[in-house]
Amino acid sequence: AQSVTQLGSHVSVSEGALVLLRCNYSSSVPPYLFWYVQYPNQGLQLLLKYTSAATLVKGINGFEAEFKKSETSFHLTKPSAHMSDAAEYFCAVYNQAGTALIFGKGTTLSVSS
Amino acid sequence: DTGVSQDPRHKITKRGQNVTFRCDPISEHNRLYWYRQTLGQGPEFLTYFQNEAQLEKSRLLSDRFSAERPKGSFSTLEIQRTEQGDSAMYLCASSLRQGRLDNEQFFGPGTRLTVL
Repeated sequence: AQSVTQLGSHVSVSEGALVLLRCNYSSSVPPYLFWYVQYPNQGLQLLLKYTSAATLVKGINGFEAEFKKSETSFHLTKPSAHMSDAAEYFCAVYNQAGTALIFGKGTTLSVSS
Repeated sequence: DTGVSQDPRHKITKRGQNVTFRCDPISEHNRLYWYRQTLGQGPEFLTYFQNEAQLEKSRLLSDRFSAERPKGSFSTLEIQRTEQGDSAMYLCASSLRQGRLDNEQFFGPGTRLTVL
């Protein structure tokens, strides 16, 4: 069965520092992976997606993620954090049938000045 | 493209009452999904429609829950005899399925339900 695990429920960084949010997946078929961001009291916004076309995926707002099959990972990074990046981040994978997204528990990113 | 909209944004009700939420997807999208998100958790899948057909329901969707998408456009989610455990954010999403697995889902702002 498909699943994702997000390591670290809370990550704190200083403004301008590297952001690294970790996601590991389990999949019995080639996975389709997504990162979404959620700001308080809002819905989810897609940051980026992996669909097997390229292992390094670039998304919006300067985020990118690298698919590593050997490590079953899809970690999200951003070279320099901005205060506006403070939010909840979710990693997700399509279920085997491709009919629903399975989400991790989320990682809250805090950015301090 | 005005995005996915949901109404109401907030609903407070007393235990035992019925509530209904509405979702309007992006107009050309043929798939519509409902998810539930509780505090500190990621969204959990409830059900989805392809056009007007409800094709899958999660075990989370008890018999007190019913969803419809009568004309393949907007959808409603009704919860009967609400319980305090139903308090959550209910998210709607839509996507355009064209035979590919990787079409992303676009989410609405959600309806936050509080059951007193």
